[in-house]
Amino acid sequence: DIHMTQSPSSLSASVGDRVTITCRANQSIKKYLNWYQQKPGKAPKLLIYAASSLQSGVPSRFRSSGSETDFTLTISSLQPEDFATYYCQQSYSIPWTFGQGTKVEIK
Amino acid sequence: QVQLQESGPGLVKPSETLSLICTVSGGSISNYYWSWIRQPPGKGPEWIGSIHYSGNTNYNPSLKSRVTISVDTSKKQFSLKLSSVTAADTAVYFCARRGSYYDTVGYYYFDYWGPGTLVTVSS
Repeated sequence: DIHMTQSPSSLSASVGDRVTITCRANQSIKKYLNWYQQKPGKAPKLLIYAASSLQSGVPSRFRSSGSETDFTLTISSLQPEDFATYYCQQSYSIPWTFGQGTKVEIK
Repeated sequence: QVQLQESGPGLVKPSETLSLICTVSGGSISNYYWSWIRQPPGKGPEWIGSIHYSGNTNYNPSLKSRVTISVDTSKKQFSLKLSSVTAADTAVYFCARRGSYYDTVGYYYFDYWGPGTLVTVSS
């Protein structure tokens, strides 16, 4: 199985801050990397697919880059509705696997 | 707008079989893969398996011996059966659609999700 590691596990930030979350795969996954946002008691919501493509309806302040083993999700100016847990997920090979999550909390 | 809804018992006894159904509305069940994903309390999601509307399946090897996913296109439903459950199978179970994007290769992701249903394994 491909193991996905996110860092940090949690972070505290203020509205308007620039936030960066890192996801690392233990082998190359080319650009088969997706990002999701999950709020408490809700299903994950797709933000980014194919490493850098923004899902329809997702604000442009969410950006992602990377390839092979290292990927980054950046929120350019954190908004109140962005406080949530973020997961990366690889779709390079079965079984598809998720990272352990990064919780973005209010400072 | 595609919508998914999970249904089934919220409590299952150890050693028994967990059974859930996902009903799809607002869109076609054809031409897509449909997935089950679970999330234990406080942990990240775990992909269980996927089924194409034609019946082709892919399963997580860690669960393959206990999992059966089936589809009923006439009812626009797909189902999950997980046998011989233990407390470790306690989780929120989600159904989801596997979307796709093609340029030179195909990229896959989960673009529509049900709200999830908590299944507790306990006697």
